[in-house]
Amino acid sequence: QQQVKQSPQSLIVQKGGISIINCAYENTAFDYFPWYQQFPGKGPALLIAIRPDVSEKKEGRFTISFNKSAKQFSLHIMDSQPGDSATYFCAASATRGGADGLTFGKGTHLIIQP
Amino acid sequence: NAGVTQTPKFQVLKTGQSMTLQCAQDMNHNSMYWYRQDPGMGLRLIYYSASEGTTDKGEVPNGYNVSRLNKREFSLRLESAAPSQTSVYFCASSVGRVAEAFFGQGTRLTVV
Repeated sequence: QQQVKQSPQSLIVQKGGISIINCAYENTAFDYFPWYQQFPGKGPALLIAIRPDVSEKKEGRFTISFNKSAKQFSLHIMDSQPGDSATYFCAASATRGGADGLTFGKGTHLIIQP
Repeated sequence: NAGVTQTPKFQVLKTGQSMTLQCAQDMNHNSMYWYRQDPGMGLRLIYYSASEGTTDKGEVPNGYNVSRLNKREFSLRLESAAPSQTSVYFCASSVGRVAEAFFGQGTRLTVV
């Protein structure tokens, strides 16, 4: 049972455009929702994270939108740049209950075309 | 700042061989994790250690064992490698359950 569903699998966006990646979760115990960015040959690195007490968090060109009732959250990359080309993973974890550690989506391979 | 260090970076094993993947962190984190990454599957948790002296199974523990040697080090052992264990393995550490996880560079393991 996949607890975090991520879409799309791959995404091509023109430079300067908006990249949007969506995730949905099932476990209502989840209360921490990070996004990780991974470049080829590297480990994932935290990009931005949100807790369910806010509906939106913005850091520079990156914004997380969170909809608790729909159990969905999304990453928006504004003014997308070729350097943003990477694989993006949404994830979730819970303060209590279940296993420690993050549950990841399957990833989105993002390509920003110059 | 080393962060999370994994060794080796690459390894080829024959079916049935054993090996240990090493991981060390220098951030004084309590929690440490082993994930495997397979194409189209994201990262899946193998084992985790919430504190020194404790370990627990994650989503895909079969065929693996772990040891939390001390607060810094968390090793992953494959006792009898199988082709299905061909993957990229990542070690990570965190201050706790709902905090930023820092990942190592990964170990690319091929079992033939």
